[in-house]
Amino acid sequence: KAGVTQTPRYLIKTRGQQVTLSCSPISGHRSVSWYQQTPGQGLQFLFEYFSETQRNKGNFPGRFSGRQFSNSRSEMNVSTLELGDSALYLCASSAGQGGGPQHFGDGTRLSIL
Amino acid sequence: QKEVEQNSGPLSVPEGAIASLNCTYSDRVSQSFFWYRQYSGKSPELIMSIYSNGDKEDGRFTAQLNKASQYVSLLIRDSQPSDSATYLCAVGPRNTDKLIFGTGTRLQVFP
Repeated sequence: KAGVTQTPRYLIKTRGQQVTLSCSPISGHRSVSWYQQTPGQGLQFLFEYFSETQRNKGNFPGRFSGRQFSNSRSEMNVSTLELGDSALYLCASSAGQGGGPQHFGDGTRLSIL
Repeated sequence: QKEVEQNSGPLSVPEGAIASLNCTYSDRVSQSFFWYRQYSGKSPELIMSIYSNGDKEDGRFTAQLNKASQYVSLLIRDSQPSDSATYLCAVGPRNTDKLIFGTGTRLQVFP
């Protein structure tokens, strides 16, 4: 069974730009969650989607948004990029019943110049 | 007070020894508990999940949960150098996939 696939693996952007990251969950998984990992803050929850609906949202500014499509694939968008947005962005998928085990993709490493 | 607390380490143990990793959490309604292993430059890999008080064993790994004390631990028996990694404790409420992570404990297993 294929794992969680995130694209692209690496991105370099400049301040003020916007970026879209993509996540394809494990086949059959209906829930997708996004996390930001930085050396200073660790892993922080961004948002969670289930059946195309945002089920939870973390404490991030409105510049961070996401969506989920009918095939469970998800995208995350960050607008007006800031230097502090440099991080590893991780997507995790689960079967979707809530509270079940989540499996992570390899992540997208975003660097802001 | 952080929601999920772990000792950052490093925790150094000799090969073949038992490594004991600990985690405390603040939200009493938490229902799901996970241990992830993260190698440097890699993404977290799920190694254990536990939902009920007591012990759960899987190979060399044992997770222990005590909800009354808001405490979850991971024991690694017969530690190997390949176990050297950062171990992340994650806690979640029921009916949601939102996980709160600790900052991780770095484990070093030396030959």
